[in-house]
Amino acid sequence: EDQVTQSPEALRLQEGESSSLNCSYTVSGLRGLFWYRQDPGKGPEFLFTLYSAGEEKEKERLKATLTKKESFLHITAPKPEDSATYLCAVLPVSGSARQLTFGSGTQLTVLP
Amino acid sequence: KAGVTQTPRYLIKTRGQQVTLSCSPISGHRSVSWYQQTPGQGLQFLFEYFSETQRNKGNFPGRFSGRQFSNSRSEMNVSTLELGDSALYLCASSLHRENTGELFFGEGSRLTVL
Repeated sequence: EDQVTQSPEALRLQEGESSSLNCSYTVSGLRGLFWYRQDPGKGPEFLFTLYSAGEEKEKERLKATLTKKESFLHITAPKPEDSATYLCAVLPVSGSARQLTFGSGTQLTVLP
Repeated sequence: KAGVTQTPRYLIKTRGQQVTLSCSPISGHRSVSWYQQTPGQGLQFLFEYFSETQRNKGNFPGRFSGRQFSNSRSEMNVSTLELGDSALYLCASSLHRENTGELFFGEGSRLTVL
């Protein structure tokens, strides 16, 4: 059974204080790993797709990396508007491309 | 470009009732999938529709069903509601391409079962 574990559950940072979120996964063949951001009262918003170990993607203050067992979402010099829940999801080789297995998320709070 | 629209946004039902939720995907998106989000279980896949056909179904009881219309709009139905069905129901649309988990989610329908 595919599993995704995210840590920490919650993280509070001061504005400008860089940190990383972790996503550990077990999957029977990885088709892709995805990061989403979810604001309160909203649906998740797609951030990144990573397909193979060693791959990196960047977007503004966020950088996602992938190894064979985990992914990291690095946040550099965060701002209060980066506060959100960050969700990691995996897509196995078998099955529909829309059937993602999500982790429980990391709730990030960036204080001004 | 309009996003994914879900209606209603909030609803309250009692045990034993049934509910129908609606989803209009992004124009041009023909794949619609549904997810349930709860504090305890997180986001869980319900089912996926493409070209009016259910392509995949998650591990949910038969009380959960759905359909897709020729204009790609989708509905999901939950019959004989239970307290545990209280959740945020999210619809996501996507271009029907392989090797992509890039889903565009709506804001969800928050169901409370009393």
